[in-house]
Amino acid sequence: DGGITQSPKYLFRKEGQNVTLSCEQNLNHDAMYWYRQDPGQGLRLIYYSQIVNDFQKGDIAEGYSVSREKKESFPLTVTSAQKNPTAFYLCASAWGVEQFFGPGTRLTVL
Amino acid sequence: GIQVEQSPPDLILQEGANSTLRCNFSDSVNNLQWFHQNPWGQLINLFYIPSGTKQNGRLSATTVATERYSLLYISSSQTTDSGVYFCAGNSGNTPLVFGKGTRLSVIA
Repeated sequence: DGGITQSPKYLFRKEGQNVTLSCEQNLNHDAMYWYRQDPGQGLRLIYYSQIVNDFQKGDIAEGYSVSREKKESFPLTVTSAQKNPTAFYLCASAWGVEQFFGPGTRLTVL
Repeated sequence: GIQVEQSPPDLILQEGANSTLRCNFSDSVNNLQWFHQNPWGQLINLFYIPSGTKQNGRLSATTVATERYSLLYISSSQTTDSGVYFCAGNSGNTPLVFGKGTRLSVIA
């Protein structure tokens, strides 16, 4: 079954803890993206990667880190430096220009 | 960078009604996509439409690239059409820029 998977669907963490969100795709897409969505808002770009072992900051990269060691995987770490980490996180991948999204992870920091 | 403006921000329709959603871009784009975000948060691809007109069932979209806007038409709306509709565009190899969305509520 081809697609983009994100895990877990819901995640709860205590303030001050780092947490890593998983994003995997088996579509053989070169580019992958992480977005953040706050309630009632649009999508804001955190990081993106157009090729393995390379990634660029998006508009709101502070407090986040990523790695791209494999084409299929683009994990996002939300660090304790992120001031307001509670949000809905969406991962996407693209082949050429058309982008497709995973189901998202809802992160709640208590 | 490119700015994307969507209108209207909110829309309430009676089931069976038609609607038009608009997306304006501040600069030229060579990639334009429409998405529907369902109540569970999943973004579903509706159209990849950098120019021209496409139709898929009750939905159709038209992009006039020279005038930097795109329209999404929903005909005979159903309650399952409810959610948020986003347009997004980019030029070259830059990441997609999203509008703030149109929140559609279809009531029975």
